Amino acid sequence: DTAVSQTPKYLVTQMGNDKSIKCEQNLGHDTMYWYKQDSKKFLKIMFSYNNKELIINETVPNRFSPKSPDKAHLNLHINSLELGDSAVYFCASSQDPSGGAEQYFGPGTRLTVT
Amino acid sequence: AQSVSQHNHHVILSEAASLELGCNYSYGGTVNLFWYVQYPGQHLQLLLKYFSGDPLVKGIKGFEAEFIKSKFSFNLRKPSVQWSDTAEYFCAVNRNNAGNMLTFGGGTRLMVKP
Repeated sequence: DTAVSQTPKYLVTQMGNDKSIKCEQNLGHDTMYWYKQDSKKFLKIMFSYNNKELIINETVPNRFSPKSPDKAHLNLHINSLELGDSAVYFCASSQDPSGGAEQYFGPGTRLTVT
Repeated sequence: AQSVSQHNHHVILSEAASLELGCNYSYGGTVNLFWYVQYPGQHLQLLLKYFSGDPLVKGIKGFEAEFIKSKFSFNLRKPSVQWSDTAEYFCAVNRNNAGNMLTFGGGTRLMVKP
């Protein structure tokens, strides 16, 4: 069973479009995250979401918005896509938001904006 | 701002050689420390973590890491690498009061020659 899954695995789209990436975890975890990995492999936290509390990395543009329909899902919506949004996006989850709780990562979604 | 540095960007070793990958962080307070591995085409997996106690922690697949508080370091070691250890290795840090949002280093790409 896949613990953290993401769809789609690959997403190619044009500048200006709006797209979504879905993330689901079947671990019963309370906290979910989104990370962005750029072409140089740098991984940066974008969001942390726990029980309707959203913590946003201040560097994330407001074109990005996470939406959680329930505890097992945290989808990432991106409006007005730009070339610089091309990256691999990883979803992760942890049992709770406490420091040190192990995070389990999804397989990633490679987004290419043309 | 908290930062994590991995000074070795690319490492090439022959099988059976010993490995040490450096990781330094800049935050002076209480931190939790992690090493993650990303095998080619796969998602991030936790190798080991340090919260408190014995500064020498042992992880999966024969890896270990030593936390040296005075040096702000958490170097990863393995006495004898195998070809299957070829992967990207990421050091990560979070603060106890930072909502478990990880700050990652830039990664080290390890290639082990058979």
